[in-house]
Amino acid sequence: AQSVTQPDIHITVSEGASLELRCNYSYGATPYLFWYVQSPGQGLQLLLKYFSGDTLVQGIKGFEAEFKRSQSSFNLRKPSVHWSDAAEYFCAVGASGSARQLTFGSGTQLTVLP
Amino acid sequence: DVKVTQSSRYLVKRTGEKVFLECVQDMDHENMFWYRQDPGLGLRLIYFSYDVKMKEKGDIPEGYSVSREKKERFSLILESASTNQTSMYLCASSPGQSNEQFFGPGTRLTVL
Repeated sequence: AQSVTQPDIHITVSEGASLELRCNYSYGATPYLFWYVQSPGQGLQLLLKYFSGDTLVQGIKGFEAEFKRSQSSFNLRKPSVHWSDAAEYFCAVGASGSARQLTFGSGTQLTVLP
Repeated sequence: DVKVTQSSRYLVKRTGEKVFLECVQDMDHENMFWYRQDPGLGLRLIYFSYDVKMKEKGDIPEGYSVSREKKERFSLILESASTNQTSMYLCASSPGQSNEQFFGPGTRLTVL
């Protein structure tokens, strides 16, 4: 069975600073990988996804993520954070070619200082 | 745009009550999911469904049941609500063989 670890429970950055949120997964084959964002009181919105091909994936709102098979990682990055990026971020892994289920990490809460 | 709606944003119930949470999607998706979200635990899958009238247990099905009588609607039922079921409940749907899920806004349930 697959699993996801987000080692940082809470991250604080200043507005305009760069951001990297870590995600490590465990899965035997090539996974499908996702990053979702959840604003307070809202559902989850898809930021980006990786299925295959180019390991650097561009998403919405200026986010990108890089799939590194050797490190079993799929870290989310943004070069310059905006105050509106304050939210909770979830990494998820899905099994390729099968059950359509996703396994989610425990989330990283992002605080942005003015 | 895919739209997933949930019947209530906030719900307060008493211990022992039967609770229905409704989820409707408007994009003809085959797959539907119910999760609960608790601080520090992320999203945990309760039940999911690949087709009308079929259901599969997720990771934490105890105390819950589901119903899918129509393709667009997936209901989560708490037969006898307990205080440990106080949580945020999220519904999601996805098309066919896709892993990409689309989420509703969530229902915050409080059981007193």
